[in-house]
Amino acid sequence: NAGVTQTPKFQVLKTGQSMTLQCAQDMNHEYMSWYRQDPGMGLRLIHYSVGAGITDQGEVPNGYNVSRSTTEDFPLRLLSAAPSQTSVYFCASSYSTSGGAGSTDTQYFGPGTRLTVL
Amino acid sequence: QQQVKQSPQSLIVQKGGISIINCAYENTAFDYFPWYQQFPGKGPALLIAIRPDVSEKKEGRFTISFNKSAKQFSLHIMDSQPGDSATYFCAASYAGNMLTFGGGTRLMVKP
Repeated sequence: NAGVTQTPKFQVLKTGQSMTLQCAQDMNHEYMSWYRQDPGMGLRLIHYSVGAGITDQGEVPNGYNVSRSTTEDFPLRLLSAAPSQTSVYFCASSYSTSGGAGSTDTQYFGPGTRLTVL
Repeated sequence: QQQVKQSPQSLIVQKGGISIINCAYENTAFDYFPWYQQFPGKGPALLIAIRPDVSEKKEGRFTISFNKSAKQFSLHIMDSQPGDSATYFCAASYAGNMLTFGGGTRLMVKP
C-alpha cells in the first residue's frame, strides 16, 4: 500500500492564483482531512470528510474548498491564494474519527505540501 | 482559542536523559489523547495514545502520564537517543470529532 500520497511536494504561487492540492489514500478509509502546519501553531484542521459526498469545515476553513467524489481522493482547492496561506499542508486519513476504539483511531498523514504564496 | 496547550516549544536533552513534554486541555469531554512524532520533511505519525480510564501507558521507552483532575497529560521519553530528535505533538478528541493538536515541541537529543 502507498498509504496517503500528496502532490505536489512544493509549490510557489503568486497572490490571487488558484491551485489544487491533491490527496489520495489506498487504505479504503472513510475519514479524510486537511491540516495546515504553521510554526508554534501545531496542526490546524481546515476541512474534513466522513465519507464520499460528505464534507465539513474545520477550525480554519476560510479561503479553502474541498470535495469528496470518491473514497480515495480528497483535493483541497485554493481559489485565490493569499500570503497568509503560506504553510505546510498535510492530508490525513483514518478508518474512523478519532475517539473510536483501538487502532481505528489512528490518523495516517501524507508527506505534506509546502506552499509559498508571494 | 487553543484548546490544547503544549510546553515547552523546544527542548534539548543529553543522550540517555529523560525528555518530558507537557500538555493541558480545557474540554472535559475529550476522551482520547494521542501523541504524534514528526521527523523533518515527513508527516506526523502516531507514537502512543491513552484514554482517561488509565493514568499511565508505557510502550518501550515512551510513557504517557495522565492526570484527569488537573486536565493534563505528558509524554516521557526515557533514555533519550539522538534518533528521537523530532517534533512531538499532543492531541485530544472526543467521540465523533476530529483531533485538536497542541502547538508542538521540537526535541533535540545531543549525543
